[in-house]
Amino acid sequence: DTAVSQTPKYLVTQMGNDKSIKCEQNLGHDTMYWYKQDSKKFLKIMFSYNNKELIINETVPNRFSPKSPDKAHLNLHINSLELGDSAVYFCASSPGAKQETQYFGPGTRLLVL
Amino acid sequence: GNSVTQMEGPVTLSEEAFLTINCTYTATGYPSLFWYVQYPGEGLQLLLKATKADDKGSNKGFEATYRKETTSFHLEKGSVQVSDSAVYFCARSYNQGGKLIFGQGTELSVKP
Repeated sequence: DTAVSQTPKYLVTQMGNDKSIKCEQNLGHDTMYWYKQDSKKFLKIMFSYNNKELIINETVPNRFSPKSPDKAHLNLHINSLELGDSAVYFCASSPGAKQETQYFGPGTRLLVL
Repeated sequence: GNSVTQMEGPVTLSEEAFLTINCTYTATGYPSLFWYVQYPGEGLQLLLKATKADDKGSNKGFEATYRKETTSFHLEKGSVQVSDSAVYFCARSYNQGGKLIFGQGTELSVKP
């Protein structure tokens, strides 16, 4: 029944490693997003995909590479992890890409040591 | 520019107190406005929204009115409960790709 799900929920890893976070939505939405929430709770969009096509890329380092194999999935791969990547990453989806309500996943808490 | 500014937290209230969390935005055009709530350890949930000027969004006793003349969308609740303790985010839409621009969040703590 979970609308937007993310795995893993927690991720602890060493600096320099490569890791992936997966997101799936079963709402039939066309648009999916990745947001980053820092330690002060500030939320900022990273990427947005509409029907598997990238439509937003917010000056995120190219160590971050999103992939959308189909419109129900949007994964985030991070190369060469740095300490500053530690944050909570939220996936979200919306019916379309025009001012519509977004539905958020539970978040992935990434800690880079 | 395009930004959202919320009152700083944390806000601490006693149960049954009146709540106001201020939110103002800058925008070109007419964005949709949202309040999201994040309970401890969870993702964000939509609390309410308004899509045009003078619209009032309401849910679970919370209300906010889209005020174009003051570019504000203040969140109010007449009588808060301990279960309302959470972080509240004001957000506005942005035409490019449907992204949301969030305020910095306001932590609310309600004491019995």
